Amino acid sequence: AQTVTQSQPEMSVQEAETVTLSCTYDTSENNYYLFWYKQPPSRQMILVIRQEAYKQQNATENRFSVNFQKAAKSFSLKISDSQLGDTAMYFCAFMTGRSNFGNEKLTFGTGTRLTIIP
Amino acid sequence: ETGVTQTPRHLVMGMTNKKSLKCEQHLGHNAMYWYKQSAKKPLELMFVYSLEERVENNSVPSRFSPECPNSSHLFLHLHTLQPEDSALYLCASSQGQTIQETQYFGPGTRLLVL
Repeated sequence: AQTVTQSQPEMSVQEAETVTLSCTYDTSENNYYLFWYKQPPSRQMILVIRQEAYKQQNATENRFSVNFQKAAKSFSLKISDSQLGDTAMYFCAFMTGRSNFGNEKLTFGTGTRLTIIP
Repeated sequence: ETGVTQTPRHLVMGMTNKKSLKCEQHLGHNAMYWYKQSAKKPLELMFVYSLEERVENNSVPSRFSPECPNSSHLFLHLHTLQPEDSALYLCASSQGQTIQETQYFGPGTRLLVL
């Protein structure tokens, strides 16, 4: 079974600073996908970034980038130039790479509550 | 309407009540999901539907009954719930039947069982 661990329940940083959220996972699979989701106070989960395990290049989306270390099973999220709107819960999630539908499901971590301080 | 919508946004019910949660996706997706989000716990997948057929049920108690009449709508029927069922219930959808499609989430229904 896959597990996802987010060891930082809460973090806070000053606006415009850079912050890194950590995520580690455990799996015996070689082909899988990793996600970071953001859940602002409005409660809607929003996909932030996605990484395919077979890709060596780290995914980036504007101010958001990941540091994917496959051997270490680590998938951290870096937010550059943080903004007040980045305040939210951030969830790391894992999905296996099996092709038959029904066996693929997102396994989530417990989340990190990030607060951006003005 | 865009994305994934859920109604109601908030629901308070007694243990003897029967209620239903509704989810609708406007993305043309073929798969839909119900998740339960409790405080300080990872999201728990409850049900998965692909092309209106249930493909996964993670041993959810029978007091939760899903219904997927078509690929755009998903319901969660609730009856004789327990206080520990109080949580945020999230609906999500994804594109296809294969590969690791990104899931898009609705805003959730905050449920309180008294």
